[in-house]
Amino acid sequence: NAGVMQNPRHLVRRRGQEARLRCSPMKGHSHVYWYRQLPEEGLKFMVYLQKENIIDESGMPKERFSAEFPKEGPSILRIQQVVRGDSAAYFCASSLRTSGGYTQYFGPGTRLTVL
Amino acid sequence: GENVEQHPSTLSVQEGDSAVIKCTYSDSASNYFPWYKQELGKRPQLIIDIRSNVGEKKDQRIAVTLNKTAKHFSLHITETQPEDSAVYFCAASNTNAGKSTFGDGTTLTVKP
Repeated sequence: NAGVMQNPRHLVRRRGQEARLRCSPMKGHSHVYWYRQLPEEGLKFMVYLQKENIIDESGMPKERFSAEFPKEGPSILRIQQVVRGDSAAYFCASSLRTSGGYTQYFGPGTRLTVL
Repeated sequence: GENVEQHPSTLSVQEGDSAVIKCTYSDSASNYFPWYKQELGKRPQLIIDIRSNVGEKKDQRIAVTLNKTAKHFSLHITETQPEDSAVYFCAASNTNAGKSTFGDGTTLTVKP
């Protein structure tokens, strides 16, 4: 049973370009979460999605950032017109909701470097 | 929204000693509290979790306690080993709301 997959693992972009990060949840999981981690800092929640729905995007910057989780295919986190401050590790996690609670399993992360 | 505070930010212990990391949360609706271990350059991995209907849970050298009244929970690692060195994150979530709020992490160093 494959775990959460993310690609690319490393992404280098120049200022002003677009970054597109992909996340494939664990098999059977229909809930995806994106987090950003700056060097030597904690995990900051960005967005929570279910298939075809954004449930909570309270941690997402209002401009340049968007996320989707289509009916088919991976979840995508898109950052338009990247700036140096966007350089970070972006982790996604997936979960299978149960009545007793849920556990989030993390992918290996995408390390974005903006030159 | 939920606010999670984690202490200490760094912790250094001698091999074989115990380590305790504490977290407090603000939202009384939170009902699920996982702990993650993150080694340098790797993904956070779940090491133990506790739900609000339980006060304590143990898995070999790791235990977690929860005090719902005081809104705090703690991670206890006994007989620490150098491979326990990592950053540990606590989190609190309301399973109805979906998202988890993470603490800022504790860097644990176990000296041989």
